[in-house]
Amino acid sequence: GAVVSQHPSWVICKSGTSVKIECRSLDFQATTMFWYRQFPKQSLMLMATSNEGSKATYEQGVEKDKFLINHASLTLSTLTVTSAHPEDSSFYICSARPGTGNNSPLHFGNGTRLTVT
Amino acid sequence: QKEVEQNSGPLSVPEGAIASLNCTYSDRVSQSFFWYRQYSGKSPELIMSIYSNGDKEDGRFTAQLNKASQYVSLLIRDSQPSDSATYLCAVSPVNISSNTGKLIFGQGTTLQVKP
Repeated sequence: GAVVSQHPSWVICKSGTSVKIECRSLDFQATTMFWYRQFPKQSLMLMATSNEGSKATYEQGVEKDKFLINHASLTLSTLTVTSAHPEDSSFYICSARPGTGNNSPLHFGNGTRLTVT
Repeated sequence: QKEVEQNSGPLSVPEGAIASLNCTYSDRVSQSFFWYRQYSGKSPELIMSIYSNGDKEDGRFTAQLNKASQYVSLLIRDSQPSDSATYLCAVSPVNISSNTGKLIFGQGTTLQVKP
């Protein structure tokens, strides 16, 4: 149980274009999903908390106009990287947890490797 | 001071030995602690969760928590080459105004188990 699916698993795009990444909870509903980013040899850095039916909460230093998050249903959150640049190339991973408590583990999608050329 | 700190390693142990991975955290009121394993190029997968002081065992893995010292560790017994990966410590910070349930990760410790 607690399967999180992410799509696409990898994407290559040209500088200046936008890329949308989908995150789905397959066997549970998630009012909250979390988007992380990981650069090579570094740890996971939380970008934003996606809230179903309301605005996302962004971590300090993350541009909300560049990283658009939409959480339109209890099983789907999307992250759109707008006007992507080479420095946005990274491994983007979403996560969620079943239930209403906030202390259980997060389950991660398989991640999306973005390469901006 | 980083919120969650780990030695990046690499930690190298021979096959069959015990690997000991350590993590310290800065938020004294944190309540939830997790160990994830991440293979190169893959996303993290949960190994253990621990919420109260003491030891928690699951197969070859033992998590240890000491809230007074703000310290959590992971022991891997009978280490296998397939255990070679990066081990991430994660802590759920407690915010009085809102507990969003986010996890803060350490930088991870790379474990190498040599045959």
